[in-house]
Amino acid sequence: GAVVSQHPSWVICKSGTSVKIECRSLDFQATTMFWYRQFPKQSLMLMATSNEGSKATYEQGVEKDKFLINHASLTLSTLTVTSAHPEDSSFYICSARGWTGDQPQHFGDGTRLSIL
Amino acid sequence: DQQVKQNSPSLSVQEGRISILNCDYTNSMFDYFLWYKKYPAEGPTFLISISSIKDKNEDGRFTVFLNKSAKHLSLHIVPSQPGDSAVYFCAASVGGSARQLTFGSGTQLTVLP
Repeated sequence: GAVVSQHPSWVICKSGTSVKIECRSLDFQATTMFWYRQFPKQSLMLMATSNEGSKATYEQGVEKDKFLINHASLTLSTLTVTSAHPEDSSFYICSARGWTGDQPQHFGDGTRLSIL
Repeated sequence: DQQVKQNSPSLSVQEGRISILNCDYTNSMFDYFLWYKKYPAEGPTFLISISSIKDKNEDGRFTVFLNKSAKHLSLHIVPSQPGDSAVYFCAASVGGSARQLTFGSGTQLTVLP
């Protein structure tokens, strides 16, 4: 089945640091990737949608200068949390889908981000 | 405004019995529904989906039922197994699976041996 790899799985860093999270589709070309955020015991909240080669579309309330998304190839999207602060600590998950048929989104295993 | 609701945060079922997880939605534009299973510290794993043109979809032990008039869908797992213990999320989209998903808050299923 489709595999989406997300790296790193866990990051602990100091306040003010920028953190980059990678999302790769391993066995298919992902025209669209999605970035979600999940707070403890809450649902996944969509942050942004990125299409290969174009600017990401951010959901209302998500700061695009804070959460930089790059989707430079059909197999890789990155989310950079710039100048991270403790309130950015969360579980970030990406998903990807290919371009054929009515495929479901396949998710990575997520990145636990802890800002001290 | 929660457009997708899972009103039961948890459910316990005996092994071998049926598990029924419920999901309600408010947006009548939703036309594609999915169920995902999630273990702690992992991403959701796709289980089964259903288009709004159908009212039932079955895949092995998993069956999803859609009642459009009631804006309600359910996931049936039979027989339930201890390995099914996880958080189950329902999700919905407008325009098919390629579109952004709106998730429910999840239901923790515990299958007791």
